[in-house]
Amino acid sequence: AQSVTQPDIHITVSEGASLELRCNYSYGATPYLFWYVQSPGQGLQLLLKYFSGDTLVQGIKGFEAEFKRSQSSFNLRKPSVHWSDAAEYFCAVGQYNNNDMRFGAGTRLTVKP
Amino acid sequence: DADVTQTPRNRITKTGKRIMLECSQTKGHDRMYWYRQDPGLGLRLIYYSFDVKDINKGEISDGYSVSRQAQAKFSLSLESAIPNQTALYFCATSATEDSYNEQFFGPGTRLTVL
Repeated sequence: AQSVTQPDIHITVSEGASLELRCNYSYGATPYLFWYVQSPGQGLQLLLKYFSGDTLVQGIKGFEAEFKRSQSSFNLRKPSVHWSDAAEYFCAVGQYNNNDMRFGAGTRLTVKP
Repeated sequence: DADVTQTPRNRITKTGKRIMLECSQTKGHDRMYWYRQDPGLGLRLIYYSFDVKDINKGEISDGYSVSRQAQAKFSLSLESAIPNQTALYFCATSATEDSYNEQFFGPGTRLTVL
C-alpha cells in the first residue's frame, strides 16, 4: 500500500517569507497526489492535485507544488506567506480507480507577524 | 450551503455509551467515507461506501459500524464508546466517475469520550 511522510510536524515562518512544506510518498506506480489545508475548526480544503503532465502544479491561494519522481516528493511552496495561511497542511496519495487514499500526519504552520 | 455536513459538530460522552455521528451531502456523489484524525497520525479511514448497498471496512474499523441510509446519508456509530475513540471525525465524498478519487470533506465532528 502507498504511504506518505511529512517530515516536519511544525513550521514557523514570518509573514512575507517563502514557504516550503515537504512531502515524500511511497508507491510503486504513478501516484495521484494531493495537498489539503485544514484551518482551525474547519474541514479539509483541497489546495491542489497532481495526476499527470506538467510536474509543477498551481493551486488556490497562491500555492504550488512540484512532483519529483526521482525523489518521491511532492513539496508544497508559496513565495510569500500571509497570516491567514496559518493552518495544518496534509499531503495525500491515492491510486487510480481505488478508494485507498493515504494521508500524511500533517504539518502545522505558524505565521509570525 | 455546505455540500457535506456533519452533525453534531461537538459531542462529549461517557465510556460505554452508544454514539451516532451523521453525515449528509448534496453533491450527488455515490461514494462516502468516514475518517478519524488524531494528532501526529493524520487521517485514517474507518469505513467507506461506494453506494447504498456497498459497505467496506477501512484501515481502522474495529469498534465502529456504519449505515448508509440513502445516497446522501452515511452514519458512523460507536456501539460502546471508549476513551481512545476521542478524536476528530471527518466524513468525505467522491464521485464514482472520478477515477482519481478526489474527496470532499465535511467540517468534522469533535468527539470526546470520558
